Amino acid sequence: GAVVSQHPSWVICKSGTSVKIECRSLDFQATTMFWYRQFPKQSLMLMATSNEGSKATYEQGVEKDKFLINHASLTLSTLTVTSAHPEDSSFYICSARRPGVSLSPLHFGNGTRLTVT
Amino acid sequence: DAKTTQPNSMESNEEEPVHLPCNHSTISGTDYIHWYRQLPSQGPEYVIHGLTSNVNNRMASLAIAEDRKSSTLILHRATLRDAAVYYCILRELVTQGGSEKLVFGKGTKLTVNP
Repeated sequence: GAVVSQHPSWVICKSGTSVKIECRSLDFQATTMFWYRQFPKQSLMLMATSNEGSKATYEQGVEKDKFLINHASLTLSTLTVTSAHPEDSSFYICSARRPGVSLSPLHFGNGTRLTVT
Repeated sequence: DAKTTQPNSMESNEEEPVHLPCNHSTISGTDYIHWYRQLPSQGPEYVIHGLTSNVNNRMASLAIAEDRKSSTLILHRATLRDAAVYYCILRELVTQGGSEKLVFGKGTKLTVNP
């Protein structure tokens, strides 16, 4: 069964509003989670690394004030897309790995498809 | 992460073996070779990984060239459910506190014909 859960699986919002996406690790504690974005027919692009109890680390070109990441507990990270615009419409995917084992696989959520109208 | 090169697409017939190649000529000694796949409208899932020796698991086999500059993911009997984009990724073994992020290339889109 899934070990990383994302919610919602899809969301439609109006331009200018904010949307929150949740990512939960179901049977392990994740001090680090990763957020990716994927546009149609393209590969996954890493947006940021979410760190429990500290600030997220953003990849170059990703606006930290637009994509707010909160990793308030060891099993939950949230990504909030603020003031969403149609160009933010994409497939957002989170991932985490079980701690303590080097090179253990990354487990991915099933993604959240965001459509901004 | 070091760069990998994969064909954009491949086709296979159901119940036949599939060999998905990956070139990684700039691989370093501490890079592991990881394969993930992404089914349509889903997040990626782990397939297999290896360092030097060939590896087998319930999903696939990984054949690694002796010089480690290339590898091949082998699906022994393709099924329709194996249709996905397959990503070959080099992942460095890092010490505690280092980055464990994965950087995805474009992958190979595998089509399985019935």
